Amino acid sequence: NAGVTQTPKFRVLKTGQSMTLLCAQDMNHEYMYWYRQDPGMGLRLIHYSVGEGTTAKGEVPDGYNVSRLKKQNFLLGLESAAPSQTSVYFCASSLQGPYEQYFGPGTRLTVT
Amino acid sequence: AQSVTQPDIHITVSEGASLELRCNYSYGATPYLFWYVQSPGQGLQLLLKYFSGDTLVQGIKGFEAEFKRNQSSFNLRKPSVHWSDAAEYFCAVGGYGGSQGNLIFGKGTKLSVKP
Repeated sequence: NAGVTQTPKFRVLKTGQSMTLLCAQDMNHEYMYWYRQDPGMGLRLIHYSVGEGTTAKGEVPDGYNVSRLKKQNFLLGLESAAPSQTSVYFCASSLQGPYEQYFGPGTRLTVT
Repeated sequence: AQSVTQPDIHITVSEGASLELRCNYSYGATPYLFWYVQSPGQGLQLLLKYFSGDTLVQGIKGFEAEFKRNQSSFNLRKPSVHWSDAAEYFCAVGGYGGSQGNLIFGKGTKLSVKP
């Protein structure tokens, strides 16, 4: 039982490049989330999903897209990376929305 | 508006001393409350949670928290801090009353432990 896994762990992009972050969970959770964490800002919700095939915007969705084609996977895409997207990205999952969330180890992304 | 406030950005305590981290929330419905810990370079780990019942909840690593509805608070405590407790701590609130059911996180309190 791996819980929540994220790939890659680290990535460096040049401005304008694209990439996809993969999150996988093996707990059969309905809800999945993508957050970004910046110093002094806490966790900010980018997008979330309440089930397979659904996605919704969070607090800071601009510049990101997501997809949830399979229940266990939640993908976060950056179509044209900007230096402002330099951050640590965390994926999380929960059985239902109000319940505790389980977090992955994070992806550190640097955009130069 | 729903929100979580952690008034202390950074706290330093001596090893063996007691600890209390403050958390105040604003939520329109019955809140579900959580404390998470994040060690450097790691993801967030759930310390404890409150849904209902006994307002004093026990968590992992010797932590406890008390829900005080009349003060809208959910403070985290530990009677004797260990050097390994140095980390960042996040309080979160959720429930069925708003925020699409998602959790709302505070900005965190960083704990340093002096030898």
